Amino acid sequence: NAGVTQTPKFRVLKTGQSMTLLCAQDMNHEYMYWYRQDPGMGLRLIHYSVGEGTTAKGEVPDGYNVSRLKKQNFLLGLESAAPSQTSVYFCASSYGAPMSKTQYFGPGTRLLVL
Amino acid sequence: DQQVKQNSPSLSVQEGRISILNCDYTNSMFDYFLWYKKYPAEGPTFLISISSIKDKNEDGRFTVFLNKSAKHLSLHIVPSQPGDSAVYFCAASYSGAGSYQLTFGKGTKLSVIP
Repeated sequence: NAGVTQTPKFRVLKTGQSMTLLCAQDMNHEYMYWYRQDPGMGLRLIHYSVGEGTTAKGEVPDGYNVSRLKKQNFLLGLESAAPSQTSVYFCASSYGAPMSKTQYFGPGTRLLVL
Repeated sequence: DQQVKQNSPSLSVQEGRISILNCDYTNSMFDYFLWYKKYPAEGPTFLISISSIKDKNEDGRFTVFLNKSAKHLSLHIVPSQPGDSAVYFCAASYSGAGSYQLTFGKGTKLSVIP
């Protein structure tokens, strides 16, 4: 049981390049989330999904897109990376309501945009 | 406007003593609170939670207290151990639409000195 895994662990991009971050969970969780964490800041929600085929915007969605084609996977895409997107990205998952409040996090992806 | 505040960026405590981490919130709709622990280069891990129908929840060395009238919660760690050295995040949620979303504080870095 691997829990929540994220790929890649670290990536360097040039401004304008695109990339996709992959999150996978093997806990059969209904809900999945993408957060970013910046120095001195808490975790801020980018996008989330309450089920396969559904996605919704969080607090800081601009510049990102997501897809949830399979229940166990949640992809975060950057179409045209900007230096402001340099951050650590965390994926999380949880059971569906009403047990959805405890979220389980992956190890994170460090992204540096030059 | 920050809805969940952790006003102490850091805290140092001697091994064996009590660590008290504080968290304040402004949104009176929040009715469920969680504490997460984060080691460097790892994802946050769930520690303990409390519902607003309670004022205390205990799990081994960890106790969370909730004062709804003051919109304040605290995490007590007794006795503190060097392995407790980490960043602790307070998070809040509410029932109803969007109840799966967590709002995080900026975190408090706890250092337990041997």
